[in-house]
Amino acid sequence: GAGVSQSPRYKVAKRGQDVALRCDPISGHVSLFWYQQALGQGPEFLTYFQNEAQLDKSGLPSDRFFAERPEGSVSTLKIQRTQQEDSAVYLCASSQRWSHYGYTFGSGTRLTVV
Amino acid sequence: GQQVMQIPQYQHVQEGEDFTTYCNSSTTLSNIQWYKQRPGGHPVFLIQLVKSGEVKKQKRLTFQFGEAKKNSSLHITATQTTDVGTYFCGSGSRLTFGEGTQLTVNP
Repeated sequence: GAGVSQSPRYKVAKRGQDVALRCDPISGHVSLFWYQQALGQGPEFLTYFQNEAQLDKSGLPSDRFFAERPEGSVSTLKIQRTQQEDSAVYLCASSQRWSHYGYTFGSGTRLTVV
Repeated sequence: GQQVMQIPQYQHVQEGEDFTTYCNSSTTLSNIQWYKQRPGGHPVFLIQLVKSGEVKKQKRLTFQFGEAKKNSSLHITATQTTDVGTYFCGSGSRLTFGEGTQLTVNP
């Protein structure tokens, strides 16, 4: 598609519920990133894929967070047993190459845990 | 990762005034990218700098990368209300972002 598409746009989850956030990157973009952005803060790196390989997951805050990109295109970020501190905007970004070009961000998924 | 600090955190200007935000690091940066995020929006890529002392211009925006590759700046000449938003710098393959500078412009 023309841009990075994320769904759902908004998600309200009860504490303890599992959620799955989807990212459709720009067709042909090799690199895919997930970021977490709290209100008034800069985006915080979560994880990075090059094609289907997850090359860096050092930013995932706990083992409740899991990301996959099985066919090197669409990616899913899963959060198990959500907690209130997980409330944030989750941004996905894609790029043609590792760090050589600017990253194109999606509109994000705003997750609210109640 | 490559840590970056941004100042100021907030900047309020009158329309027509100039604006500058600074990005600083204690270590040498491989590159610096600048993004703009409008209220309620997502970061939008503005530019990437990779060379020591590099200067790039986009209309009223001037971007600089320091000689030591430890700092960068974004300067906007004669701000307009359309410049409102938060400006982030980021660096490294993981794109570690600074805290951002939130710009408001009074018409």
